[in-house]
Amino acid sequence: DTEVTQTPKHLVMGMTNKKSLKCEQHMGHRAMYWYKQKAKKPPELMFVYSYEKLSINESVPSRFSPECPNSSLLNLHLHALQPEDSALYLCASSQGLDRFYGYTFGSGTRLTVV
Amino acid sequence: SQQGEEDPQALSIQEGENATMNCSYKTSINNLQWYRQNSGRGLVHLILIRSNEREKHSGRLRVTLDTSKKSSSLLITASRAADTASYFCATSPNDAGTPLVFGKGTRLSVIA
Repeated sequence: DTEVTQTPKHLVMGMTNKKSLKCEQHMGHRAMYWYKQKAKKPPELMFVYSYEKLSINESVPSRFSPECPNSSLLNLHLHALQPEDSALYLCASSQGLDRFYGYTFGSGTRLTVV
Repeated sequence: SQQGEEDPQALSIQEGENATMNCSYKTSINNLQWYRQNSGRGLVHLILIRSNEREKHSGRLRVTLDTSKKSSSLLITASRAADTASYFCATSPNDAGTPLVFGKGTRLSVIA
């Protein structure tokens, strides 16, 4: 299995809702990442997990809460989002935080906040 | 923060022509990577070139790296309509544990 699977593919949520994005990989990768991407912009790093521990938080607002329950799974919990949080949310994984590896990306979750 | 700057921002060519995209960066790197993104989809890793390499090939892709100029180029030969996508360079800094830093990307349109 050489894929990163993200669910759901599309999500529409109200500003008072709580929802979660899910990311799964079975490649034995020990580093996992959340990115946010606006239209016609590059991906922006949000969080990095290494060996299931949060390694980097790029000053992301607390309405985004990451979780790594095990080495294959990464969640992003969403609460009280704003319309400007609407974006494509991408999950990625790599063999490790070692800089020699490329990343494998999922297809993303298209989030719309209404 | 983004380090790579791609040039041009957008490129439109006819099928069969070659497409060249450039990337410049600011700090020292361990390697530089190129990714493709089809509209609204995830990024796909294309090629990785290490700082001690000058040129690398993969199928119709040719990547060059000039560390003295802190620049890289991606050449796609004999382009196809299916090559229409955004292309991003990403630099891997020398500092261990530092994630990739993505450039702003080049939007390539290949017209059949």
